[in-house]
Amino acid sequence: EAGVAQSPRYKIIEKRQSVAFWCNPISGHATLYWYQQILGQGPKLLIQFQNNGVVDDSQLPKDRFSAERLKGVDSTLKIQPAKLEDSAVYLCASSLTDKLYGYTFGSGTRLTVV
Amino acid sequence: KQEVTQIPAALSVPEGENLVLNCSFTDSAIYNLQWFRQDPGKGLTSLLLIQSSQREQTSGRLNASLDKSSGRSTLYIAASQPGDSATYLCAPLSNMLTFGGGTRLMVKP
Repeated sequence: EAGVAQSPRYKIIEKRQSVAFWCNPISGHATLYWYQQILGQGPKLLIQFQNNGVVDDSQLPKDRFSAERLKGVDSTLKIQPAKLEDSAVYLCASSLTDKLYGYTFGSGTRLTVV
Repeated sequence: KQEVTQIPAALSVPEGENLVLNCSFTDSAIYNLQWFRQDPGKGLTSLLLIQSSQREQTSGRLNASLDKSSGRSTLYIAASQPGDSATYLCAPLSNMLTFGGGTRLMVKP
């Protein structure tokens, strides 16, 4: 089966600019997650979708971050305006609804804010 | 709130050694626990998934154990190889998948 697809692979922007990341989950996976991983740390959950509805966005900085999942498939994560501390790898993951199954992660998007 | 701790944070060993990576978590009400591998600049690759009702899982040279009641999991790597060099992340699943800080492993030829 195809994995979780993410693009772009790398992005460099100046602070105060905006940026968007795209994720296409594994076909049939109802649940989609965005994680932020700062260098040297474990990933931190930003937002969780079940189909096209938000399940948990308690750790999403809503003043500058937004995310949507159109038609319950692809998802986009946006940062506007970016800050230096947003430099990180943004990971997308998907899973089947049943908690018997694990998560599958994409390769991530490495964002550098200068 | 789930908190996950991984010990040691970094480990450097000669090739051929058997290794033990430790993970502890505060909320024992989990559905399962996954161990991931992350190579520099790459995404996460799932190594093993242990259901809450299981005690251990094995895949090749890897064996993961789970003691849910005490909030502990251990990843054993047998006969380590330079290709095993990576960061290993433990992630229990409760209401969300929560990660530890990882163990950075270097296996020297």
